[in-house]
Amino acid sequence: EIVLTQSPGTLSLSPGERATLSCRASQSVSSSCLAWYQQKPGQAPRLLIYGASSRATGIPDRFSGSGSETDFTLTISRLEPEDFAVYYCQQYGSSPFTFGGGTKVEIK
Amino acid sequence: QVQLQESGPGLVKPSETLSLTCAVSGYSISIGYYWGWIRQPPGKGLEWIGSIYHSGSTYYNPSLKSRVTVSVDTSKNQFSLKLSSVTAADTAVYYCARQRGGFGEFSYWGQGTLVTVSS
Repeated sequence: EIVLTQSPGTLSLSPGERATLSCRASQSVSSSCLAWYQQKPGQAPRLLIYGASSRATGIPDRFSGSGSETDFTLTISRLEPEDFAVYYCQQYGSSPFTFGGGTKVEIK
Repeated sequence: QVQLQESGPGLVKPSETLSLTCAVSGYSISIGYYWGWIRQPPGKGLEWIGSIYHSGSTYYNPSLKSRVTVSVDTSKNQFSLKLSSVTAADTAVYYCARQRGGFGEFSYWGQGTLVTVSS
């Protein structure tokens, strides 16, 4: 099973700032099968990024994903008020599919 | 627009079987895609439970495999989850989702339903 470790656990930033979230895998993720999700309180996760760097339909271009093998990054170029939430990475290259523990982006 | 909606009992007794259904609208399950279940204990992270194709082909998380059954009913355009011998550790919000391919991301999610295991 691939273990995903997200860091930091909490990121305290102000609107307009840049957010950089990390996701590290315990072994190489097949074919960059790595996704990022955003979850707000009381809501289901929403797909942001798949294939490590492809934005899902309707996702603003301030969200970008990068990385390969064991190190992946989600970058939010300029934080909007609606971006404060918890973000999860997920690998789907090998079963069982696994999620990281999440990074909470909170308002500073 | 694809929509998914979970339904089922919100309270299940320990040792009994948890049963949930996911109704899909805006897309016919029989066309394709995989359909999965994911859960999230209160205040915790996400855990994939299992997925199914419209043909009935399934695969499960080994950590739950002995207790999980996922099935599909294409005539009703829905799929279901059964989790047997539940304990308090199975208390969670259960989500159903559409998965792009057998190994794919979860692109559409239901709103989730909280299932509490308690006597």
